[in-house]
Amino acid sequence: EVQLVESGGGLVQPGRSLRLSCAASGFTFDDHGMHWVRQAPGKGLEWVSGISWNGGSVGYADSVKGRFTISRDNTKNALYLQMNSLRDEDTALYYCAKAQGMLVNPTAHDGLDVWGQGTTVTVSS
Amino acid sequence: SYELAQPPSVSVSPGQTASITCSGEKLGGKYACWYQQKSGQSPVLLISQDTKRPSGIPERFSGSNSGNTATLTISGAQPMDEAVYYCQAWDSGIVIFGGGTKLTVL
Repeated sequence: EVQLVESGGGLVQPGRSLRLSCAASGFTFDDHGMHWVRQAPGKGLEWVSGISWNGGSVGYADSVKGRFTISRDNTKNALYLQMNSLRDEDTALYYCAKAQGMLVNPTAHDGLDVWGQGTTVTVSS
Repeated sequence: SYELAQPPSVSVSPGQTASITCSGEKLGGKYACWYQQKSGQSPVLLISQDTKRPSGIPERFSGSNSGNTATLTISGAQPMDEAVYYCQAWDSGIVIFGGGTKLTVL
């Protein structure tokens, strides 16, 4: 069974850091790009970041650029999101998602065909 | 930055056809995807590359994309189709989501 399981969420004060993890199973991890997508309470989906199959190409939403870092370990079938300088507006359910394709670059055009259940990040003092 | 616009809500009677639009500058020159998110659940990919249905997605879901508008069509809408639908496209290596459309089947 294809599965993504996120972990690492929690309550954190503004300005602090948090690292999210996503454990993948049931598919060839290094054949696919991977993404983080978040959803604030009662709001829509917001793409956060994506990484190509080999980690050679990454992308970030403007709202997190310079604060968040995406990475992957293909030997562990794991995806990560290091979140620094957290703000109240980063409060959301964070989903890990598998891309149909391998790339994260201007030629990419595929969808996100597998999603985890999400991990909740709450930024509050 | 690139934006995708969706109507906040669409209503349809059971058995009728629902159309949900997604507008963006020259969207027809990009590929559009569609997702369904039911209350309390993770999103599900319905359509990729404008018209392709992943395995397991019912045939009543179809997509098109031309000009500045992509459209998700649900033929013979069922009460179980009540959900929020999101369009998605890529722009310069960045993933963009539309704001979502709440579909009510009544």
